[in-house]
Amino acid sequence: GQQLNQSPQSMFIQEGEDVSMNCTSSSIFNTWLWYKQDPGEGPVLLIALYKAGELTSNGRLTAQFGITRKDSFLNISASIPSDVGIYFCAGRDTGNQFYFGTGTSLTVIP
Amino acid sequence: GAVVSQHPSRVICKSGTSVKIECRSLDFQATTMFWYRQFPKKSLMLMATSNEGSKATYEQGVEKDKFLINHASLTLSTLTVTSAHPEDSSFYICSARGGRASGRGEQFFGPGTRLTVL
Repeated sequence: GQQLNQSPQSMFIQEGEDVSMNCTSSSIFNTWLWYKQDPGEGPVLLIALYKAGELTSNGRLTAQFGITRKDSFLNISASIPSDVGIYFCAGRDTGNQFYFGTGTSLTVIP
Repeated sequence: GAVVSQHPSRVICKSGTSVKIECRSLDFQATTMFWYRQFPKKSLMLMATSNEGSKATYEQGVEKDKFLINHASLTLSTLTVTSAHPEDSSFYICSARGGRASGRGEQFFGPGTRLTVL
């Protein structure tokens, strides 16, 4: 099935820097979700978005549901070492099918 | 709320044996459960979707006779890897959807099971 295009694939940043990643689809989505996965663990839901233009924050994380309904963005402000992990976007299309992004691996250098 | 558990967390088995992995939704009723496979540093690959009381729907390329899925209740789904071989070694993750926690379609993931076939 479709896999969402997520970028960048990996990031190496200094502690304290801000991070941005995005996800695009070829079709319109009704829901966008952002997950974080720590090594050896299952993904944990960070933020859920339900309508175009919606901007939602969870602590230092902010995510937006793109106006075109074909993309979403996740920003992390003032990164800290525990932000390390793989971030996945996911979404549900108008046919109620669920898709995962290819993942962004984040490394934070103290 | 919305806690999903998996058991075992780690299993090592000999080639040719079968392994059963359990996925449970602890505080909600999961009308739908999903099974994923993940290779190192790769995204999750959906293997199958199961709805309680009905047969699982397998993704293209996934052998249904090798990866047996049973979703017998609203809180339990099992994945059995039959006649496991070394190439089946992977990280298997389940997720569940249903109830108020998933009012808008969110999936909640289990912690995963690391399978190593010798």
